[in-house]
Amino acid sequence: GAVVSQHPSWVICKSGTSVKIECRSLDFQATTMFWYRQFPKQSLMLMATSNEGSKATYEQGVEKDKFLINHASLTLSTLTVTSAHPEDSSFYICSATRTSGRGDTQYFGPGTRLTVL
Amino acid sequence: TQLLEQSPQFLSIQEGENLTVYCNSSSVFSSLQWYRQEPGEGPVLLVTVVTGGEVKKLKRLTFQFGDARKDSSLHITAAQPGDTGLYLCAGAGVGTDKLIFGTGTRLQVFP
Repeated sequence: GAVVSQHPSWVICKSGTSVKIECRSLDFQATTMFWYRQFPKQSLMLMATSNEGSKATYEQGVEKDKFLINHASLTLSTLTVTSAHPEDSSFYICSATRTSGRGDTQYFGPGTRLTVL
Repeated sequence: TQLLEQSPQFLSIQEGENLTVYCNSSSVFSSLQWYRQEPGEGPVLLVTVVTGGEVKKLKRLTFQFGDARKDSSLHITAAQPGDTGLYLCAGAGVGTDKLIFGTGTRLQVFP
């Protein structure tokens, strides 16, 4: 089956520091990956679409200078939270699109819990 | 903005009971997925429906896509404690592979 990993699974950092989260598709190539944020007791909110070889597309209200996305290869996308603040504390989840004869399916990573002190 | 409203928000039932979760929108979706998410983990895909009126069964779970492809339902027969979790519907708009997630239904099944 399609496997997507995220690293780290959790991170605690001080306010003002930057944190990088990696998303990897382990057994398939993904030209498109997505980054979501999920606050406690809430659903997933799409932050941005990460496209291999081009700039990410951000959803309305998401600061592109704060959430830097790099899709370095067909199996790796990174999300860097710059100058993190306590309000950025959340569960960040990525997904990778796998294309097959049945169409496109998004497979989700296990998530990264970010806590900013 | 496309919105997917799920109902109920919370559901607490006894083992063996049946339940239905609804996912409604005013927008048309090219496909709709249902996921289950456990605490601290990513969503796990349960099913994808793409055709209006389509019904899919996965053991005790029955999924239906509305005729107009604007809504969907998930019915669980004889719920078990292992069914406990957050159920999320997610729709893909026409001409895009971006998913819009529903508001979620948190299910608790007591033994």
